[in-house]
Amino acid sequence: ILNVEQSPQSLHVQEGDSTNFTCSFPSSNFYALHWYRWETAKSPEALFVMTLNGDEKKKGRISATLNTKEGYSYLYIKGSQPEDSATYLCAFRNTGNQFYFGTGTSLTVIP
Amino acid sequence: GAGVSQTPSNKVTEKGKYVELRCDPISGHTALYWYRQSLGQGPEFLIYFQGTGAADDSGLPNDRFFAVRPEGSVSTLKIQRTERGDSAVYLCASSFLAGNNEQFFGPGTRLTVL
Repeated sequence: ILNVEQSPQSLHVQEGDSTNFTCSFPSSNFYALHWYRWETAKSPEALFVMTLNGDEKKKGRISATLNTKEGYSYLYIKGSQPEDSATYLCAFRNTGNQFYFGTGTSLTVIP
Repeated sequence: GAGVSQTPSNKVTEKGKYVELRCDPISGHTALYWYRQSLGQGPEFLIYFQGTGAADDSGLPNDRFFAVRPEGSVSTLKIQRTERGDSAVYLCASSFLAGNNEQFFGPGTRLTVL
C-alpha cells in the first residue's frame, strides 16, 4: 500500500492570513505530483502539476514547492480569502502512471 | 467548452442490484480515469483507459466492477451485485494524453447502496 499523507487534516484561518500545508509521498518511482482544489458540490480543479525536484509554481496567491528526494510538497496561500475555502488534494503519480491521492486538507477561511 | 460530465449525479440502489455510471470526457481527451472516494478518504484509483483499451485496471476492487470505453470517448463503469461497501462518490477524469498532463475531473456520481 502506497502512502500519500497530507497535513493538517483541517485548518481554520482568518481572512488575510497566509497559510501552508504539506503533502508527503514516496520518493521512489516518482513521475509527478499534482495539486487540486476541491470545493463542495464542484469538480476537483487542477492547480499544479510538478515534476522536477526543486520546482516552484505559482498561480495568483497560491504557490507550491516540490522536493522529490525527501518526498514532500508544500502548498502556500498568501493572504487567504473566504473563496479559498475548499479541500486541497495532492496526488502522487508514479512511473507506471498510477495516481495515489492524499486525504486532503480542508481549509476554512473565516471572514 | 464543456467539461467532464457524469451521470447520474446521484444513484440510490438496493444491495444486490446492478448499476451503470457514465462518464463523458472532454472532447479529444484520449486518457480517461475512474476513481472512487469513500467518506474520509482521498480518491482511490480504479482504472485508466488510453483510447478504447484499459491500460491499467489494477485498482478495480474485485470482479463485480467492470468498465468499458468502446469508442474511445464515453466510458461506463459497471458494478454488479452491489454491496453496501460500494457506497461512495465515483469520480471520472480525463486528460489529453496520459503523460504529464493535467486531469480534468467531472462532478462525480454519489452511489448509495441500501
